[in-house]
Amino acid sequence: GQQLNQSPQSMFIQEGEDVSMNCTSSSIFNTWLWYKQDPGEGPVLLIALYKAGELTSNGRLTAQFGITRKDSFLNISASIPSDVGIYFCAGDNQFYFGTGTSLTVIP
Amino acid sequence: EPEVTQTPSHQVTQMGQEVILRCVPISNHLYFYWYRQILGQKVEFLVSFYNNEISEKSEIFDDQFSVERPDGSNFTLKIRSTKLEDSAMYFCASTHGTGLREQYFGPGTRLTVT
Repeated sequence: GQQLNQSPQSMFIQEGEDVSMNCTSSSIFNTWLWYKQDPGEGPVLLIALYKAGELTSNGRLTAQFGITRKDSFLNISASIPSDVGIYFCAGDNQFYFGTGTSLTVIP
Repeated sequence: EPEVTQTPSHQVTQMGQEVILRCVPISNHLYFYWYRQILGQKVEFLVSFYNNEISEKSEIFDDQFSVERPDGSNFTLKIRSTKLEDSAMYFCASTHGTGLREQYFGPGTRLTVT
């Protein structure tokens, strides 16, 4: 199956800092999605990307569909405590999920 | 706000037993999905369902698994002869169309096989 690797695996940051994480694929994807999962809950879709090079924002979140179509990036600006959770990327219509990035925000 | 619901929230079963996990997708949605997430690991796609038939399935979704939409509102996942390694969170999701932009996940059912 498709391999989606996310980095970093975990992050510990101070409240107010910006966050950057990325997702790389072993093959080309036509769709990239970013989800956030809070403990004990289902993933919540944050941003969907459908075109190479596309840059899309959702509040303090910005995601980009890489030009090579093998990667995607998610940035969170001015982090707040409720940003804590696990962020997953997912790709293509087979709904492959990445390995996740665990974010901890220290007040 | 519409939401996907799942029951039960936690199911404990003995190895070898059959379980049925239930989901009520959002009412005007047409595409339904099951995923599983083993504790501490990533979310894994199991199956997608449209127009009363399976449209895609992963290699995890073998003959042990089956899905059904028995009526106009429920979408079920049946796991036959459960194994210890079936212990996981099982998430149902639904979308109105084929685009994933509006995919909504349910809260999940935690399955524990003893």
